[in-house]
Amino acid sequence: SQQGEEDPQALSIQEGENATMNCSYKTSINNLQWYRQNSGRGLVHLILIRSNEREKHSGRLRVTLDTSKKSSSLLITASRAADTASYFCATANDYKLSFGAGTTVTVRA
Amino acid sequence: GAGVSQSPSNKVTEKGKDVELRCDPISGHTALYWYRQSLGQGLEFLIYFQGNSAPDKSGLPSDRFSAERTGGSVSTLTIQRTQQEDSAVYLCASSPQLRTEAFFGQGTRLTVV
Repeated sequence: SQQGEEDPQALSIQEGENATMNCSYKTSINNLQWYRQNSGRGLVHLILIRSNEREKHSGRLRVTLDTSKKSSSLLITASRAADTASYFCATANDYKLSFGAGTTVTVRA
Repeated sequence: GAGVSQSPSNKVTEKGKDVELRCDPISGHTALYWYRQSLGQGLEFLIYFQGNSAPDKSGLPSDRFSAERTGGSVSTLTIQRTQQEDSAVYLCASSPQLRTEAFFGQGTRLTVV
């Protein structure tokens, strides 16, 4: 079974706009990670936020974590066509990385 | 440096045949994961190896699926008597230690006809 659930399932935005997607999970976690997948193949790690952190930045990415609500959000600012991909959150507890179903983001030129 | 390597990249097999998928993790990574992804879906956990500990096989969907990791490095996922519902992309990932960033291979696309 999948631990995380992303929302929305799909998102279409204009180049230059911001994209926000959310992840909810069910059990306690050690950390939460976000990954990007292009063309249905290998995933690329984007950012990791620990359970005792509330916000983290990396370039145009901003991640928040609310452990009381068991939710996280990923914000991509000033989106580009190259940001078109599927984005997955993954929760790490004990040792297992459990992935959600993902959000498909399309950035229109 | 070299990333996670999976072979073959694509595999078409007839229903009922056995297949073997290979994963070469990044050198020195102690953790290794196998996931399955059906078209347009999320990642389904299959199995996890950590060092010399017994693997977590809780995600294997049936006894037709098995995996091993030799010498703490290369791993093979074997599917016996393949069925059409086994068609998916099989992804392998490794990480240097528990709960850290996972590095994924490009996957093996398995098609059972």
